[in-house]
Amino acid sequence: DAKTTQPTSMDCAEGRAANLPCNHSTISGNEYVYWYRQIHSQGPQYIIHGLKNNETNEMASLIITEDRKSSTLILPHATLRDTAVYYCIVIGRKANAGKSTFGDGTTLTVKP
Amino acid sequence: DSGVTQTPKHLITATGQRVTLRCSPRSGDLSVYWYQQSLDQGLQFLIQYYNGEERAKGNILERFSAQQFPDLHSELNLSSLELGDSALYFCASSVGPEGAGGYTFGSGTRLTVV
Repeated sequence: DAKTTQPTSMDCAEGRAANLPCNHSTISGNEYVYWYRQIHSQGPQYIIHGLKNNETNEMASLIITEDRKSSTLILPHATLRDTAVYYCIVIGRKANAGKSTFGDGTTLTVKP
Repeated sequence: DSGVTQTPKHLITATGQRVTLRCSPRSGDLSVYWYQQSLDQGLQFLIQYYNGEERAKGNILERFSAQQFPDLHSELNLSSLELGDSALYFCASSVGPEGAGGYTFGSGTRLTVV
């Protein structure tokens, strides 16, 4: 599997940008990087995904390094409601269908 | 509403019993995935079905089984329940067998074994 590594926890001040890193050094050429978040005990919610170009949507921006071995999720103006566990996963290899591991993610705490 | 429906939302049962969790995937999605999340732990992949066939298996106990029906809904059966089976059980769906396009998650079933 293309495994991902994320810091266990991070803090961010409300209104500031939250930058969440993810390492996926074994990613293959046809694999996408996906980000999800889980607020309390709710179902994980899709945030954004990308292959090799940087991506932006209404929720966040995704910066993928040129060698694709790492990425950063950016929440431009974090609010208290962004406090959640953020998961970075890799999806796309046929042999690993369905087994994309969510790991433990990064617990982001946004503080007033 | 994500489009993935899980029932029931809450379930309380005794040790040794058997329960069935149900999942209806988002319209158009052919793959269904089951995950278990114990207290303060990450999501553990259990099993995947694609268009009625088992596609991938994770760390699913022999006491657990699942199936996907012709209408694409899926059921996860948990038997001989133990206290340690208490957890949130999430279902997710995707269009294809490899998760391309990402997963859409349901709101989960909270199982409490007493």
